[in-house]
Amino acid sequence: AQSVTQPDIHITVSEGASLELRCNYSYGATPYLFWYVQSPGQGLQLLLKYFSGDTLVQGIKGFEAEFKRSQSSFNLRKPSVHWSDAAEYFCAVGPANQAGTALIFGKGTTLSVSS
Amino acid sequence: DVKVTQSSRYLVKRTGEKVFLECVQDMDHENMFWYRQDPGLGLRLIYFSYDVKMKEKGDIPEGYSVSREKKERFSLILESASTNQTSMYLCASSPPSNEQYFGPGTRLTVT
Repeated sequence: AQSVTQPDIHITVSEGASLELRCNYSYGATPYLFWYVQSPGQGLQLLLKYFSGDTLVQGIKGFEAEFKRSQSSFNLRKPSVHWSDAAEYFCAVGPANQAGTALIFGKGTTLSVSS
Repeated sequence: DVKVTQSSRYLVKRTGEKVFLECVQDMDHENMFWYRQDPGLGLRLIYFSYDVKMKEKGDIPEGYSVSREKKERFSLILESASTNQTSMYLCASSPPSNEQYFGPGTRLTVT
């Protein structure tokens, strides 16, 4: 079955500390991978995407993610968290080279930032 | 920048009413999607459309219908609203590479 698992429902990190949010996927085809962020009461904003090539991808707001095919993972990282990063984060997977297909989303990880 | 707009940010309707949620995108995307988002359940796909007048059921289509008469507009219709349809509704559009761009959401309350 195709699925995305975000093992951590809620994470709290101190401002200035590093962050890693985990994402594991199960997908039969070659995947495209995405991370989204959602602030309270807002829609989802695309942080970064992986299609092919370099397995370390850079996104907006200082985020990066590393694709590890052998581990079926696509973890999101940030070296130094800011209070404004507090939000909910979603990992998603979709098929490569197959247009018009819905993504599969994880259930999200809520990030709290303490001062 | 891609822009996806939704007709209302907040909506309050009564049980049994017919409800229309409108979504418009300005990037000429072929694909459009409707999700509902509930605490603890994540995003659940209701319907999507990969072309004008084309639609596909998602995971939870019961109680909903959709309309796509023009490429830029995708409407979600609640034929007879019920209290269990109280939720946040999110619209998205995507190009062939499948990254989705979301609207700000409509928080619907059915009383």
